[in-house]
Amino acid sequence: QSALTQPPSASGSPGQSVTISCTGTSSDVGGYNYVSWYQQHPGKAPKLMIYEVSKRPSGVPDRFSGSKSGNTASLTVSGLQAEDEADYYCSSYAGSNNFFGTGTKVTVL
Amino acid sequence: EVQLVQSGAEVKKPGESLKISCQGSGYSFTSYWIGWVRQMPGKGLEWMGIIYPGDSDTRYSPSFQGQVTISADKSISTAYLQWSSLKASDTAMYYCARRAVAASVDYWGQGTLVTVSS
Repeated sequence: QSALTQPPSASGSPGQSVTISCTGTSSDVGGYNYVSWYQQHPGKAPKLMIYEVSKRPSGVPDRFSGSKSGNTASLTVSGLQAEDEADYYCSSYAGSNNFFGTGTKVTVL
Repeated sequence: EVQLVQSGAEVKKPGESLKISCQGSGYSFTSYWIGWVRQMPGKGLEWMGIIYPGDSDTRYSPSFQGQVTISADKSISTAYLQWSSLKASDTAMYYCARRAVAASVDYWGQGTLVTVSS
């Protein structure tokens, strides 16, 4: 089982939107609606931003949204803010364990 | 308040053994899977494996099978990650994490930095 594929980087100006893709296979992303997304600032533990493809935990701004089509999941951050600059990782369940994506560094220009 | 508190940073030599810990509080420790995640310096997150403290059912990711041992002591609400013979390539930050609804990780430990150097 390989890591899920994400673009290495993405960027946008404040107020713009950025979308990050996460491509897997029918054995993970495509096979389950158990995709989650995590934000990680430097030196910090990851934080759950989206679970079950498109649900937001309490306290996560509605600027963050998730979706899935086939074997590819996506995270969209709308109305970019300076504090959104971080690394983002997708994760999918795959039968017993989870797998993470390769990670995307989001830069706010 | 749910908390996962990990043991402190470790500096070890190649070939030495190590066991790090993760103590849960504020929830029913035996009712949630606890996973371990590796993050090598400047790299991404890697899922190592997971344990259900209620019955110690343990699953390893293929890349980590045979390389580490995951265990738990439910009497003290603590999960463990151990190595029998460390390598320099084991140098990384290790996080424990609670797996919750839809296999998402809703709580993370603060991380334990393991440095292996001669």
